[in-house]
Amino acid sequence: GDSVTQMEGPVTLSEEAFLTINCTYTATGYPSLFWYVQYPGEGLQLLLKATKADDKGSNKGFEATYRKETTSFHLEKGSVQVSDSAVYFCALSESNFGNEKLTFGTGTRLTIIP
Amino acid sequence: EAQVTQNPRYLITVTGKKLTVTCSQNMNHEYMSWYRQDPGLGLRQIYYSMNVEVTDKGDVPEGYKVSRKEKRNFPLILESPSPNQTSLYFCASSRGRALPGRQGSWGNEQFFGPGTRLTVL
Repeated sequence: GDSVTQMEGPVTLSEEAFLTINCTYTATGYPSLFWYVQYPGEGLQLLLKATKADDKGSNKGFEATYRKETTSFHLEKGSVQVSDSAVYFCALSESNFGNEKLTFGTGTRLTIIP
Repeated sequence: EAQVTQNPRYLITVTGKKLTVTCSQNMNHEYMSWYRQDPGLGLRQIYYSMNVEVTDKGDVPEGYKVSRKEKRNFPLILESPSPNQTSLYFCASSRGRALPGRQGSWGNEQFFGPGTRLTVL
């Protein structure tokens, strides 16, 4: 079945550092790939997505490129801020018969220190 | 404001006492789904609904029921809660009608509620 493996945390960085959170996936077909972010006490919010190979999703300075050859979707940001502290989830969707189920990784907790 | 709401946000109950967690969305979305979040396991789908009166099991449906009588509401019912159902629950919705295709047509954004933290003693 489908699965997502992402870098285990927690990750602690200083403000303005470069961020990479690794994500690889296993899927039988042609999934869409997502990064969701969860701030403390809140639900998940879509950060960015890519729906086909070589697409780059980007939002709020974060980027991730859909790499079919390496089955990866790594999240990057050039200069993190304290407000980026949250839990980040990589996910894929390979809808079958209308079920848009998201298969999630276990999440990576990111803490940015001033 | 477009949103998914859940109630209650926090609930402590005892084994066997029936409970319902409500979920409502105001975006006229066709697709709705329930997930549970557990440490080290990420989020797992419990049930989903493609439209009114159309529901089906996800990956971990045991011990749960759902109904979809109206488009906006998708309650999660625990008929006889047990301690292993202690978890953080999220409702999600999307516009639905994802179409099959060769290159990743399943790109619909899903909107999540704020979560319900349930403890079963």
